[in-house]
Parts: sequence; C-alpha cells; structure tokens
Amino acid sequence: EAQVTQNPRYLITVTGKKLTVTCSQNMNHEYMSWYRQDPGLGLRQIYYSMNVEVTDKGDVPEGYKVSRKEKRNFPLILESPSPNQTSLYFCASSTVAREKLFFGSGTQLSVL
Amino acid sequence: GNSVTQMEGPVTLSEEAFLTINCTYTATGYPSLFWYVQYPGEGLQLLLKATKADDKGSNKGFEATYRKETTSFHLEKGSVQVSDSAVYFCALRKAGNTGKLIFGQGTTLQVKP
Repeated sequence: EAQVTQNPRYLITVTGKKLTVTCSQNMNHEYMSWYRQDPGLGLRQIYYSMNVEVTDKGDVPEGYKVSRKEKRNFPLILESPSPNQTSLYFCASSTVAREKLFFGSGTQLSVL
Repeated sequence: GNSVTQMEGPVTLSEEAFLTINCTYTATGYPSLFWYVQYPGEGLQLLLKATKADDKGSNKGFEATYRKETTSFHLEKGSVQVSDSAVYFCALRKAGNTGKLIFGQGTTLQVKP
C-alpha cells in the first residue's frame, strides 16, 4: 500500500530537549516536504527536498533542520525546541511534478 | 506574491444541503489549482484539481471550475453527507517544476444529520 509514515503520532517534550520526527515513504518519490498546521494559519511549509541530498527552506524554517540521505526518508529535527513550535506537523511526498501530494497522518507536538 | 484566500468557517449544513466553499487566488501566469480534504485525525488527501482556465475538476460528487476571469476555484457539492464533515483546503501551484504549493487557511465543514 502506498503510504507516508510519520512517527511518533503524539509527542510531549520540554524546552531545549532535542527531538526528531521521522518520515518515510514507499512510493519512490523524489519530492518530500514538511508542513506545520496551526489554527487560522493553514499549512505552512518548513523545508522541502527535491531529491537525495537536495534540501531547501520553506516559509518557516527557523528552529528546524532536515536531512535527505536516502530517497525514502526525510526526518525533521528540532535541535532546541521552544513552546512556539507546539503544532501539528505533516510530512508529504510526491513526484517532482507535484500534481498530487501524499500526506502522513501527522505528529502532534507539544513543547512545555 | 502568490496567495490563496478561503471563506472562513466553520460551515454548518444539514444533510443533503448544497455546499459552496469559496476560494480565490492571487498569482501571476497560469497556476494549477487544487482542493485537498482533511478528515478528522488524518493527513490531507487530494480531492480534485484543475490545471488550466475553464477546466472542471470533479471527484466524489464535488466539483470546482478554474475561473481565470474571477481568479476563483469554488468548491461545490449538490448534496452533502455527514461523512463529508472535514477541513477543506484550497491550494495553488505555479507552473514549472520549481513552483511551490501554497495552501489557503482551510475551511471546516460540519454536516448534521
């Protein structure tokens, strides 16, 4: 089954404690992206990757890091989380044409 | 810059009512337009799309027509069901492989039996 898998689904952490949210896709997609979803603001892009070893900033990259060492994986790293990073995060993937994005089920992050 | 504006929600309807969710956009050139739907507790999934002016996208009884003259892509359904309750996102992507996907803020639809 074609899918994008994110883990964990829920995460509660404290300010400053490094964390990683994993994302994996099984569709051999070149394009992968991270979004955060906040009430009233819709989806905002954090980082994206057009292929292995190619990443670029989205609209709200501050406080986040990503890597793309393998085609299927695109982890999101918060080196020093802060409360303003409390949000619902989605990973997505597609072909380069981006005519259809496939989304993971989301990670609800709370930073205390 | 490019942007997408959707009508504010929540939109509350009774089952079998007619649905319209307004979406207007600002973009140069000829973007592709999309509607994504997010059911409770799930990620977004593509509902329909249109890639050029006057195209009509349709899926699961939902329709939207790409109107270049009014820069709009309103979502419609003739008879909604309780199972249509979800958040609906309008989005655009500029032409070309470097075109970024830009989402509207989302409109929540609640359908009551």
